[in-house]
Amino acid sequence: AQSVTQLGSHVSVSEGALVLLRCNYSSSVPPYLFWYVQYPNQGLQLLLKYTSAATLVKGINGFEAEFKKSETSFHLTKPSAHMSDAAEYFCAVSGPSGGSYIPTFGRGTSLIVHP
Amino acid sequence: DAGVTQSPTHLIKTRGQQVTLRCSPKSGHDTVSWYQQALGQGPQFIFQYYEEEERQRGNFPDRFSGHQFPNYSSELNVNALLLGDSALYLCASSWDRGSHEQYFGPGTRLTVT
Repeated sequence: AQSVTQLGSHVSVSEGALVLLRCNYSSSVPPYLFWYVQYPNQGLQLLLKYTSAATLVKGINGFEAEFKKSETSFHLTKPSAHMSDAAEYFCAVSGPSGGSYIPTFGRGTSLIVHP
Repeated sequence: DAGVTQSPTHLIKTRGQQVTLRCSPKSGHDTVSWYQQALGQGPQFIFQYYEEEERQRGNFPDRFSGHQFPNYSSELNVNALLLGDSALYLCASSWDRGSHEQYFGPGTRLTVT
């Protein structure tokens, strides 16, 4: 079984400040890990993914995440927040199951950016 | 190259009715998955279609059914609608032999009154 816990349903930062969104996962097999972003009334857009290559993964829009197996974490960071980063962020874990890979999503973290 | 498309964008139905949602996958993708996203929640997996067959299913009742066509497009059908079925329904496509990353459509907002 696999699961994802996103710590904090809301994270509030000032424009220009560091963004840190936390994600811990549980998986019985080496996982694939993803971060998605969802803007209001839109679908999910992939920010970045970890697929057992480099542990530090760089994504779009200046985001990156580090896979830490010992901590079972995959936290998302961005050095300097922009107003346009305000959105809902979802962490997801995926592993082989029944011949396919079905991601399990966390409940999401809403990022609020203050001017 | 068009991404994943879904129709309709919004839909309002009455309890007990039936609804059909449609999805066209990204070009080159052969696998379609459907998710239900309730307000304030993450997407919940409904089922996945590959080679016109349901390959995996999440914890959803039989009222939820689907179909995949030879051109890889897909439909999600929900019978006997309940108020609790109100949600954003997301379609995602992927390539079975690819990196397992899924590309999502914009979703269909279903409201059951």
